[in-house]
Amino acid sequence: QKEVEQDPGPLSVPEGAIVSLNCTYSNSAFQYFMWYRQYSRKGPELLMYTYSSGNKEDGRFTAQVDKSSKYISLFIRDSQPSDSATYLCAMSDGNYGQNFVFGPGTRLSVLP
Amino acid sequence: DAGVIQSPRHEVTEMGQEVTLRCKPISGHNSLFWYRQTMMRGLELLIYFNNNVPIDDSGMPEDRFSAKMPNASFSTLKIQPSEPRDSAVYFCASHLWGGKNEQFFGPGTRLTVL
Repeated sequence: QKEVEQDPGPLSVPEGAIVSLNCTYSNSAFQYFMWYRQYSRKGPELLMYTYSSGNKEDGRFTAQVDKSSKYISLFIRDSQPSDSATYLCAMSDGNYGQNFVFGPGTRLSVLP
Repeated sequence: DAGVIQSPRHEVTEMGQEVTLRCKPISGHNSLFWYRQTMMRGLELLIYFNNNVPIDDSGMPEDRFSAKMPNASFSTLKIQPSEPRDSAVYFCASHLWGGKNEQFFGPGTRLTVL
């Protein structure tokens, strides 16, 4: 079992749809949870950052963390074609190196 | 701020040749990371430096790979000799240690080994 698993996608939705992206993990030491967005032929960029369990909202984006289930989610409301990208979850126990792990990514296409 | 700068953006070489990838981190950042991204394996950490010192190189695939950070504003990742299976996008990222747990990525170098 990989340390971080993510819905492989690709995922295609119509403009305006609500998108749910998910990751599961196995390391209970993870405390910091992130979502990165990667446009084609670009480097990943941080989209959402949360610590421990709970929800965090930023505009159309909501990140949820359920540490008891080892499950994190990213919701995108009123999705736009500009949201088309690969979304990678990432998590860390506060340290770097092999303690900072990225999921494999989910490719999202929002169709106009 | 120019962000993380990587060069070259694209590299095509033949098997057996030496390849050197370059990275300039964000000024003031004291941690630097080298990643490799492929469709099959996703984003893999190769090595990271803190204050120019290699801290964790357990992700470096084999002795053909080496990385240096001679000063706070420059790092190289070298592959010698290169092999077709090294074809991937190589990213450099930098971070301010002690700050928010966020890495800033460069645009990547797309390496093709024929």
